[in-house]
Amino acid sequence: AQSVTQLDSQVPVFEEAPVELRCNYSSSVSVYLFWYVQYPNQGLQLLLKYLSGSTLVKGINGFEAEFNKSQTSFHLRKPSVHISDTAEYFCAVSDRGLMNTGFQKLVFGTGTRLLVSP
Amino acid sequence: DTAVSQTPKYLVTQMGNDKSIKCEQNLGHDTMYWYKQDSKKFLKIMFSYNNKELIINETVPNRFSPKSPDKAHLNLHINSLELGDSAVYFCASSQGQGRNQPQHFGDGTRLSIL
Repeated sequence: AQSVTQLDSQVPVFEEAPVELRCNYSSSVSVYLFWYVQYPNQGLQLLLKYLSGSTLVKGINGFEAEFNKSQTSFHLRKPSVHISDTAEYFCAVSDRGLMNTGFQKLVFGTGTRLLVSP
Repeated sequence: DTAVSQTPKYLVTQMGNDKSIKCEQNLGHDTMYWYKQDSKKFLKIMFSYNNKELIINETVPNRFSPKSPDKAHLNLHINSLELGDSAVYFCASSQGQGRNQPQHFGDGTRLSIL
């Protein structure tokens, strides 16, 4: 079984400052990793995903994340945040199954609230 | 134009009542999901259907019964509502098999039990 830990429940930051949201996962098998964002009163939207290849993945809205297998981490970063980035951010993991077969069962972390102030 | 739509958006009802939430997706996906998000924002899978067949059924009380009339719809019926059922319920969809597929979420149904 997989699990995801997002140690920071809330991260306050000033506009135009850089930010890193931490995500660590636990799994006995290889995984796919995702970051989703939830704006107030909305559903989740995919920010980015790591499937294979380059460990640095770029997503929408200027976000990027780096997969680190040895540290079982997938931290999310943005070099300069905007007020509009204020939202809840969820890290999620899915095991790869046998050659990517089978159905996805996403396991989510508890989320990190990013609060951007002027 | 909405990709995954849920109705109703808000649902306020009393303990013991029975209620349904509907979900429809127009993305042509064949896999749909129900999630429950509690007051601490923790998101947990409840059910998943692929082409109208149940493929994931987590430890959810029998009072919750999903139904998928076709691959574009997945409804959730809840019998004998309890206080602990108060939460936001999200519907999502993805394309086919494959564990690398992103999921597309609806805006949620906020269920409040009085």
